[in-house]
Amino acid sequence: ETGVTQSPTHLIKTRGQQVTLRCSSQSGHNTVSWYQQALGQGPQFIFQYYREEENGRGNFPPRFSGLQFPNYSSELNVNALELDDSALYLCASSLESGYGYTFGSGTRLTVV
Amino acid sequence: GESVGLHLPTLSVQEGDNSIINCAYSNSASDYFIWYKQESGKGPQFIIDIRSNMDKRQGQRVTVLLNKTVKHLSLQIAATQPGDSAVYFCAETRSGNTPLVFGKGTRLSVIA
Repeated sequence: ETGVTQSPTHLIKTRGQQVTLRCSSQSGHNTVSWYQQALGQGPQFIFQYYREEENGRGNFPPRFSGLQFPNYSSELNVNALELDDSALYLCASSLESGYGYTFGSGTRLTVV
Repeated sequence: GESVGLHLPTLSVQEGDNSIINCAYSNSASDYFIWYKQESGKGPQFIIDIRSNMDKRQGQRVTVLLNKTVKHLSLQIAATQPGDSAVYFCAETRSGNTPLVFGKGTRLSVIA
């Protein structure tokens, strides 16, 4: 059984640029959620995808968007990067029931 | 690696002692609770979970207690080891694929 994998592990971008982060869900999981974790904070929910559609969103602006593919993998896109977007971005996959959340190791994004 | 939880409350325990980490959750409608361990530079790692129809659940060296009356969770770690040093988060959700809401986190420091 494979776990959740995320790529890249680290990324440095310039303010105003766009970034795409990727996530492969755990085998058997059909739901993917994305979280942002700033230093010293707990993860904050960005959005969730189920059957290729967004079915829940946290308090993040529209420049945060995503996709889920038929194989349940997912992308997080952030446009017009701001310095405050610097954080660890975590992907979690889960079962349809909402149980069995498994997290990836995250992508550390630094915006300069 | 990255430092998680720079300004979090810290619990320091002697190796071999028992640790108790507490968490107050926010939503009385939550019915599923999870404890995660997060080491520097890594994503949250599942430790143990509990559903709201239980008040205690035991794993290997860990026990979770749930008090729904006062919306309180605790994680007990028996015979704490240096490898237990990390930041610990509780998370709550309602079953049915709603997102996880994380608590503030506690840094556990084990003194050898």
